[in-house]
Amino acid sequence: DTEVTQTPKHLVMGMTNKKSLKCEQHMGHRAMYWYKQKAKKPPELMFVYSYEKLSINESVPSRFSPECPNSSLLNLHLHALQPEDSALYLCASSHRGQGGRNTQYFGPGTRLTVL
Amino acid sequence: TQLLEQSPQFLSIQEGENLTVYCNSSSVFSSLQWYRQEPGEGPVLLVTVVTGGEVKKLKRLTFQFGDARKDSSLHITAAQPGDTGLYLCAGAWQESSASKIIFGSGTRLSIRP
Repeated sequence: DTEVTQTPKHLVMGMTNKKSLKCEQHMGHRAMYWYKQKAKKPPELMFVYSYEKLSINESVPSRFSPECPNSSLLNLHLHALQPEDSALYLCASSHRGQGGRNTQYFGPGTRLTVL
Repeated sequence: TQLLEQSPQFLSIQEGENLTVYCNSSSVFSSLQWYRQEPGEGPVLLVTVVTGGEVKKLKRLTFQFGDARKDSSLHITAAQPGDTGLYLCAGAWQESSASKIIFGSGTRLSIRP
């Protein structure tokens, strides 16, 4: 099973709203990732969690707040977003380690629209 | 800074023709993945190549990793309309305590019946 699930699939929110994106995997992966993808562009890394600890923050604005409650779950809390934050948000997971063990498996994404 | 150049960006060919997509970098990767992505969906893994010179086949798709692990190619034989989509290469390396990947810019493939 190489499935990563994400909810919701679509989200529309106002600039004053607070919402959360959720991601779950049961592959025993101990690294989890958030990416942002704008139209016609490749995904861009936002955050990396390794063993439930924030490992990499790619200078993401504080209105995006990640959380890793346990080894299977990853959340992205959203607050006071801007219309330019509208994008497809992707979650991924992988084993730690070199070579093929660091292959990342992606979820289906959450399409976020900020009004 | 890791960079991965993918070419061509767009390719429109007739059903039955062959094609090759290239990914090139000056950086060495510990592995390289090829993904296919449909509009509004997440990238779906096609293959991971790890060893320099490695060749993997997936039906009509052939993937090759360069000897120096800096470049890769995807060759499709006898393309079919069902092959239409966005193909992304992604080079992986270890940083801090996790794996990072850098995506190529993508190749948007259209197969005409």
